[in-house]
Amino acid sequence: GEDVEQSLFLSVREGDSSVINCTYTDSSSTYLYWYKQEPGAGLQLLTYIFSNMDMKQDQRLTVLLNKKDKHLSLRIADTQTGDSAIYFCAETGNFGNEKLTFGTGTRLTIIP
Amino acid sequence: ETGVTQTPRHLVMGMTNKKSLKCEQHLGHNAMYWYKQSAKKPLELMFVYSLEERVENNSVPSRFSPECPNSSHLFLHLHTLQPEDSALYLCASSQDGAGRGTGELFFGEGSRLTVL
Repeated sequence: GEDVEQSLFLSVREGDSSVINCTYTDSSSTYLYWYKQEPGAGLQLLTYIFSNMDMKQDQRLTVLLNKKDKHLSLRIADTQTGDSAIYFCAETGNFGNEKLTFGTGTRLTIIP
Repeated sequence: ETGVTQTPRHLVMGMTNKKSLKCEQHLGHNAMYWYKQSAKKPLELMFVYSLEERVENNSVPSRFSPECPNSSHLFLHLHTLQPEDSALYLCASSQDGAGRGTGELFFGEGSRLTVL
């Protein structure tokens, strides 16, 4: 079955870049996603990338996709205290699949 | 405010109790989901309803019983739970199912369940 893996914790100094990594197993994934969960809240879609793209940039966020290695990363430039949250990587299966498979989430802590 | 409302936000129950979690979405979506979030584990999909029909049941124990009376409401009925069922239960909705379009799910804030 599909599997998505992330490290559980990441600490970064305020103002530095954060890089959150994810590996996945389903090579037929149509979309790959990053969701953000702030304390006491549900998950919110942060950004996504279509599987035929290598990179997507959106303001401070850069998503890199390496399909050969099945590796997805999220880079947050100039990390701020408001970026403290849990970041979930997720993938779809084949197009039309109802299911997203999520990872464990990476808890990003910002050091002042 | 994501348009998905879950109640109660916190629930403590004994192993012999029967309780229900409620989810309501105000987004006009036609698919709804229950996820279980436990510490250090992947977010676990429990049930998917599309157009009020259950399309996925991920080998969830029968002590969890979902109900989707219409496309805006989703319930999770709980009975004779175990302490290991303590977790955050998240409801989500989407338009046309997560695998179509951009697949964006809209999540509620969750119901924190503690089983004593």
